[in-house]
Amino acid sequence: AQSVTQPDIHITVSEGASLELRCNYSYGATPYLFWYVQSPGQGLQLLLKYFSGDTLVQGIKGFEAEFKRSQSSFNLRKPSVHWSDAAEYFCAVGAGGNKLVFGAGTILRVKS
Amino acid sequence: SAVISQKPSRDICQRGTSLTIQCQVDSQVTMMFWYRQQPGQSLTLIATANQGSEATYESGFVIDKFPISRPNLTFSTLTVSNMSPEDSSIYLCSVETGDRSRYEQYFGPGTRLTVT
Repeated sequence: AQSVTQPDIHITVSEGASLELRCNYSYGATPYLFWYVQSPGQGLQLLLKYFSGDTLVQGIKGFEAEFKRSQSSFNLRKPSVHWSDAAEYFCAVGAGGNKLVFGAGTILRVKS
Repeated sequence: SAVISQKPSRDICQRGTSLTIQCQVDSQVTMMFWYRQQPGQSLTLIATANQGSEATYESGFVIDKFPISRPNLTFSTLTVSNMSPEDSSIYLCSVETGDRSRYEQYFGPGTRLTVT
């Protein structure tokens, strides 16, 4: 069955520092991969997606993610974190039948 | 992307009662979904709301507990029936518009339910 692992429950970075959130997936075929962000009390916002082609994808708010098939990973990165990036981040994989399977989420804290 | 609204945004309910959550989209969409997010947890798919037919439920979710309606391509409701404190969660609807790519879903703001 398809699954998503986000190994880090919490991450704290200083404002202005770089960020990398890890995501590993389990899926037999070429995956459809997504990153979503959820601010406190809000719904989920789509940051970026990967379907095929260029393995480095750009998203909104200065985020990017790199698909590495050999490592079954789709890590999210940002070169310089802003305080407003503090939120929970979810990685998801398309799981057949138009369904998404989500990882457990990573809570990002930004310290000034 | 679609603009999705949910009503109510939050509610506090007594155990044994039922609550119906509405999801409205500003355009016609092919797929609508309902998710549950328990406190401190990730999202779990409850069901796919099918227009004109019965919803398709995921393992662990049943129609008697979570009846779903989808009368047209822009609207769906989820009812949480005979509630218990374990049903306290955020319930989110999402849509897949079908005009971009498969699996790309957009989410409503969620309904925060507390059962006392």
